[in-house]
Amino acid sequence: TQLLEQSPQFLSIQEGENLTVYCNSSSVFSSLQWYRQEPGEGPVLLVTVVTGGEVKKLKRLTFQFGDARKDSSLHITAAQPGDTGLYLCAGAMEYGNKLVFGAGTILRVKS
Amino acid sequence: NAGVTQTPKFQVLKTGQSMTLQCAQDMNHEYMSWYRQDPGMGLRLIHYSVGAGITDQGEVPNGYNVSRSTTEDFPLRLLSAAPSQTSVYFCASSQDGGTVYNEQFFGPGTRLTVL
Repeated sequence: TQLLEQSPQFLSIQEGENLTVYCNSSSVFSSLQWYRQEPGEGPVLLVTVVTGGEVKKLKRLTFQFGDARKDSSLHITAAQPGDTGLYLCAGAMEYGNKLVFGAGTILRVKS
Repeated sequence: NAGVTQTPKFQVLKTGQSMTLQCAQDMNHEYMSWYRQDPGMGLRLIHYSVGAGITDQGEVPNGYNVSRSTTEDFPLRLLSAAPSQTSVYFCASSQDGGTVYNEQFFGPGTRLTVL
C-alpha cells in the first residue's frame, strides 16, 4: 500500500487541454514536493509546498497543498507536448530530507 | 559542476553475483540517498546518509549495503544479486537538514537487470 496515492496513473490528452493530478494520503506531511521525470533521466524538482492551503504557480502549472497537509494537486493549463513526462509527488515525513514518493502519473500530451 | 553522477548506466548480472553502483556529487551536500524505481511503485528509499561516516536504512534495505567514507561518494553494494533487484537505481543528494525546502538532486540512474 502506497503511503501517497497518486491519481490518475496515466493520462493522455490533446494539446491545449487542462488536467489535474492528485496526491492523497492519510498522513500529515511537513512539506510536499512535485518532481518531473523524463525517460532515461532522474527526477527534477518543480516545487515545494509547506503551508496548509498554500498555492504556488509555475507558469502554466498550479500546485496546491491541502489545508490539513495530507494532500496536494497539480493543475496544468493548456497542456503542451513538452509537458509530457512522469510526475511524482513526494512527502517529507520528517524534517525535510526523508521523502516518501507516490507511484507517479504518466502524462502524454499529443499535438 | 557535474552534479550527481552515477556509474554504470546499464548493468546485467547473474543471480548471486555482487557489484557496486557508484554515486558521486560535487555540490558538497551532506545528505545522500539511494532509491530504486519500479513500474507502478514510484521511488523507494533503500539507504541514506546524513554525512560522512553516518548511514541508515530506508524502506527497502535488504540485500544492499552502503558506506560513506567521504562527503562526495556514496556507493551502493549488492551482496548477492537476485532477480527481484532488477530495477532502476537513483542516487540523490541534498543540503543538510534543517529546512523543509531541501531540494533533492538526482543522478541519471543505473538500469540493473538480474538474470
